[in-house]
This record gives sequence, structure tokens and C-alpha cells, in this order.
Amino acid sequence: NAGVMQNPRHLVRRRGQEARLRCSPMKGHSHVYWYRQLPEEGLKFMVYLQKENIIDESGMPKERFSAEFPKEGPSILRIQQVVRGDSAAYFCASSPLIAENTEAFFGQGTRLTVV
Amino acid sequence: SQKIEQNSEALNIQEGKTATLTCNYTNYSPAYLQWYRQDPGRGPVFLLLIRENEKEKRKERLKVTFDTTLKQSLFHITASQPADSATYLCAHLGTGTASKLTFGTGTRLQVTL
Repeated sequence: NAGVMQNPRHLVRRRGQEARLRCSPMKGHSHVYWYRQLPEEGLKFMVYLQKENIIDESGMPKERFSAEFPKEGPSILRIQQVVRGDSAAYFCASSPLIAENTEAFFGQGTRLTVV
Repeated sequence: SQKIEQNSEALNIQEGKTATLTCNYTNYSPAYLQWYRQDPGRGPVFLLLIRENEKEKRKERLKVTFDTTLKQSLFHITASQPADSATYLCAHLGTGTASKLTFGTGTRLQVTL
């Protein structure tokens, strides 16, 4: 059973371009979380999705950022018109259900660099 | 608002000693707390989970305690080794329609020879 797969591992974009980050959850997991991590900082929650639904997007900026988790295929975090401040590591996590005693499984992250 | 706080200063200890990391929470009472390990350039990895009515949980050289009076969880690594050097994160998963896994800022542990 493959773990959570994120791609690309590294992504370089020029200011103003779009960044698309992909996350394939573990098999059988229908809950996906996205986090952003700046160097030497903690994981900041961005969005929580279930298949075809956004459950909680309270941590995601209202503009330029969007996320989806379609019925088929990976979850996508999309950043439009990237700026230097978007440079960070973006981590995806998945879990099979939501309960307080459920652990989350993380991918290796996508490191976005905006030049 | 609900907060999970960890000591952001790095903890440096000598090999063989016990490392103790602290996680404090405010403004709520989680029924569970989780601990993760994160190595540089990698995603966090789940280590242990403790329930509020469990005073202590162990897994090999790891021990977690949960003190609901102090609103605190302690994470211990006994007989620490250089390979234990990493950042350790405390987390809580809320329930309900707005569930999300919230992390503390993490504490970096450095074990030296």
C-alpha cells in the first residue's frame, strides 16, 4: 500500500504564474488535508477536503488559492498568480475517517519556490 | 481561540539521557493528543496518541503523558540516540463538520554524542 504521494517534489515558478500541487491519498482514504510550512515554522492548516467536498477552508487565503478533491484522481492545490511569499513547503495528509483517535499520514511535500 | 503551544527553542541533550518535550493547550479540552516526528525535508510521521483518561502511554523508548489539570502533555524519549534528532510536533484533531488537525510549532531535538 503506497503512502501519500505528492508531486512534484520541487516546483519553481516565476511571479505571476500558476502552481498546481498534486496529492494522491493512501488507498481507501477519503479525507485530505493541506498544510503550508515556512522554514523554521510549524505546519499551518490550509484546507480539509473529502471526496468532491470542501469541508473546512478556513486556513486558505480567499484569493488566488483553491483546492479540490474530485471523485476520481488526486487532490489539487492551485495557486494562481504566485508571489514570492507563496514560497514554502506544502504538505498533504490523508486519513481513512475523522475521529479524534485517527492518525494522519503525510506525503513528503512539495517545495514551491517563486522567483 | 484554541491553541497548542510547544517550546520553540531547540532542546540539546547528550546521548543516553532522557529528552522531555512539552505541549500545552489552551481554551479547550481535547479528548486526544497526537505526537509526530518530522525530519528535515520530510513530512511528519505519526508516533503516539494518548486519550485524556490515559495518564500515560508507552511505545518502546517513547512515553507520553496527559495531564488535563495542567492542560499539558509531555513527550519523553529515554536512552536518547543521535538518530532521535528531529522536530517533534504535538497535534490535536477536532471533531464535527469543521474538523482539522492542528499542530503546535514543534520542538527541535538535537541529541549529541
